[in-house]
Amino acid sequence: GENVEQHPSTLSVQEGDSAVIKCTYSDSASNYFPWYKQELGKGPQLIIDIRSNVGEKKDQRIAVTLNKTAKHFSLHITETQPEDSAVYFCAAAVGGYKLSFGAGTTVTVRA
Amino acid sequence: EAGVVQSPRYKIIEKKQPVAFWCNPISGHNTLYWYLQNLGQGPELLIRYENEEAVDDSQLPKDRFSAERLKGVDSTLKIQPAELGDSAVYLCASSLLAGGRDTQYFGPGTRLTVL
Repeated sequence: GENVEQHPSTLSVQEGDSAVIKCTYSDSASNYFPWYKQELGKGPQLIIDIRSNVGEKKDQRIAVTLNKTAKHFSLHITETQPEDSAVYFCAAAVGGYKLSFGAGTTVTVRA
Repeated sequence: EAGVVQSPRYKIIEKKQPVAFWCNPISGHNTLYWYLQNLGQGPELLIRYENEEAVDDSQLPKDRFSAERLKGVDSTLKIQPAELGDSAVYLCASSLLAGGRDTQYFGPGTRLTVL
């Protein structure tokens, strides 16, 4: 089955700086790559996703890049704010529904 | 629009006792998922329903876990009997389209502690 590895496990950044989280996947058939943000006591919330026919996607301060050849994808958060502090999960799926999640990255934005 | 509703939010039981979790998906969403999330890990799919049919239950430990989605709306996940290793957060998610080609929206989860 699909195996998703996520790095780093923790990330501390100064407010206003950028944060980058990287994930690799094993199944070359995977074609859907969402990113979720999970705050304490809440369920994961989709923040951005990318499909295999697109190399990059941006939504305000958040961007995701995908390199299918290398089987890795990354999340970029620019101009970080305290409310960006949370656990971020990457995931990969073939066909869209059977998501395999990474282990998560705990992001702390220092004021 | 109301999100995915789960209850209870927290449950503490002793091992060997039964426990049940309830999920109400977003109105109109045909597909419903149950996930297990262990501490410090990402969610893992247990079962997926399309309407009232369980189309993927390959990851559900059927010796002690069961689920149902009567009438294709609400769903219940049951564990009987619970074991210490079942302590985790149980997440419910739903999506609009069949076949899973759509965003999954998660509920807040039920945190289970087995003593």
